Amino acid sequence: DQQVKQNSPSLSVQEGRISILNCDYTNSMFDYFLWYKKYPAEGPTFLISISSIKDKNEDGRFTVFLNKSAKHLSLHIVPSQPGDSAVYFCAASAGSDKLIFGTGTRLQVFP
Amino acid sequence: GAVVSQHPSRVICKSGTSVKIECRSLDFQATTMFWYRQFPKQSLMLMATSNEGSKATYEQGVEKDKFLINHASLTLSTLTVTSAHPEDSSFYICSGRARDSYEQYFGPGTRLTVT
Repeated sequence: DQQVKQNSPSLSVQEGRISILNCDYTNSMFDYFLWYKKYPAEGPTFLISISSIKDKNEDGRFTVFLNKSAKHLSLHIVPSQPGDSAVYFCAASAGSDKLIFGTGTRLQVFP
Repeated sequence: GAVVSQHPSRVICKSGTSVKIECRSLDFQATTMFWYRQFPKQSLMLMATSNEGSKATYEQGVEKDKFLINHASLTLSTLTVTSAHPEDSSFYICSGRARDSYEQYFGPGTRLTVT
């Protein structure tokens, strides 16, 4: 049972435009959500997180939105840059329990 | 801050031998460390969770006698793949988490190839 789902395996966006990556979850006990960026043959890099008591968190070009009623979160990257091309994983946890990762979305930012 | 290193980055070993992978948190105390493996084009699969000074908790389907985990200090955890087989070839990634924190910080990963 996939508790965290990223239904879009890939996304292609033009440089300068907004990238929106989506993530859905099923476990209502999740109270903390994170986004990671991963290049091939490297470990994931932490990008941004959000607690379930918030609905938005912003850090520079990255903003994460959380819709608890829909069990949905999204990562917005604006403006997108070629260096943003990578695989993005969302992850969720209940309390300080282990992270549950989605399957990832490959973002390609083209000039 | 929050840097995690792994060593080695790549290792090739013969079937039947054992391989040890080290994971170190360089600038924080990782009270909890996690070990993952990733197959090509798949998500990260959690293998085990270890708290400093305690035995590791393994996920269902992961053989604890094959994947030995030691978390002897707040900055070091090791994963030993014993009696390696070709199907153990994978990308192994560790992460560390500080006490009372949600974020996990990942190492760069270790590519294991068993011939």
